[in-house]
Amino acid sequence: DQQVKQNSPSLSVQEGRISILNCDYTNSMFDYFLWYKKYPAEGPTFLISISSIKDKNEDGRFTVFLNKSAKHLSLHIVPSQPGDSAVYFCAATNFGNEKLTFGTGTRLTIIP
Amino acid sequence: GAGVSQSPSNKVTEKGKDVELRCDPISGHTALYWYRQSLGQGLEFLIYFQGNSAPDKSGLPSDRFSAERTGGSVSTLTIQRTQQEDSAVYLCASSGTGSQPQHFGDGTRLSIL
Repeated sequence: DQQVKQNSPSLSVQEGRISILNCDYTNSMFDYFLWYKKYPAEGPTFLISISSIKDKNEDGRFTVFLNKSAKHLSLHIVPSQPGDSAVYFCAATNFGNEKLTFGTGTRLTIIP
Repeated sequence: GAGVSQSPSNKVTEKGKDVELRCDPISGHTALYWYRQSLGQGLEFLIYFQGNSAPDKSGLPSDRFSAERTGGSVSTLTIQRTQQEDSAVYLCASSGTGSQPQHFGDGTRLSIL
């Protein structure tokens, strides 16, 4: 039972354009969501997070949007840069239960 | 280095052998997690340690898997009688008490022949 889904295994975006990565979840108990970025042979690196009391969180070029009614979140990267090429994982948890449930990842390729 | 350290970075072993994977969390982090990533999959939770509390072992796939955390710091994940389906990248993460985000090490790539 995949509680966190990233339905696009890959995405290619032109440098300078906006990258939009999507994530859906099924467990209504999830109340905290994170995005991680992973380069080959390295561990995931935390990018940005959002609590369910918010619908948007912004950090530099990265913005995460949360739509609780649709159980959907998205990560926007603008402008996209070649160094953004990586696999992006969406993760979710709920307060008091610290383990993260991850999606299967989306491989983002930024085309120069 | 101030990050999570895992060793070895790669491990190749024969089916049926036991393996031990080590994790050194970030200094001062009380929470420690083990995950694994099989080919083409997301990260799968295995076990979680928080301070002196009993660990959450709900993600361990079988009784061949066990983990310890000594002195509230270093952790060892042990897989007994390895099987080919145990082949994966095993990732360790740590965080402050009851907080996110979790910070990951670079993982141990385990290959069972």
